[in-house]
Amino acid sequence: KAGVTQTPRYLIKTRGQQVTLSCSPISGHRSVSWYQQTPGQGLQFLFEYFSETQRNKGNFPGRFSGRQFSNSRSEMNVSTLELGDSALYLCASSSWGLQDDEQFFGPGTRLTVL
Amino acid sequence: KNEVEQSPQNLTAQEGEFITINCSYSVGISALHWLQQHPGGGIVSLFMLSSGKKKHGRLIATINIQEKHSSLHITASHPRDSAVYICAVVSGSARQLTFGSGTQLTVLP
Repeated sequence: KAGVTQTPRYLIKTRGQQVTLSCSPISGHRSVSWYQQTPGQGLQFLFEYFSETQRNKGNFPGRFSGRQFSNSRSEMNVSTLELGDSALYLCASSSWGLQDDEQFFGPGTRLTVL
Repeated sequence: KNEVEQSPQNLTAQEGEFITINCSYSVGISALHWLQQHPGGGIVSLFMLSSGKKKHGRLIATINIQEKHSSLHITASHPRDSAVYICAVVSGSARQLTFGSGTQLTVLP
């Protein structure tokens, strides 16, 4: 089976712009979660989608949003980018979700905001 | 106080040594994950636990729900085990992952 893929792998944006990141889960997986990793805050949970529904959301402002399509692919969007949004954004997929089985992580998208 | 505390933050060992990394948490959880992150960012899931003990090759993970504590053991450590090991808990009804700050392990040949 192909692993979790994320596109793009690297992205450079300027303050005020918006960005959309994409995540394709392992075939058959219905849960997709998104995470932000920064040197200062470490790994933080953004949100989880299951069968096109957001099941839970972490403590991030409304500028961070996401969605999941019927084929389980997921996108996350960050609007009005700030310098502090520079981070590695990771997605992970699993069959049933965070408390039910192991998470399979993608390679991440490294976002730089100038 | 963070909800998830890991110790030690940094660990240097000689090849072949037995290694233990600890994770303590302060909230009710439904599951706990151990993750491994190599330089460059790639994260691999090692274990997901809700009770007891799991073993995979040279890796063993245990969890004590009553004491809110989990340990990750590596037997016969090898330089390729050098990585950051991260503990993450799934909080009860919140169903979101809260991460520890990680343990940087370096195994010297």
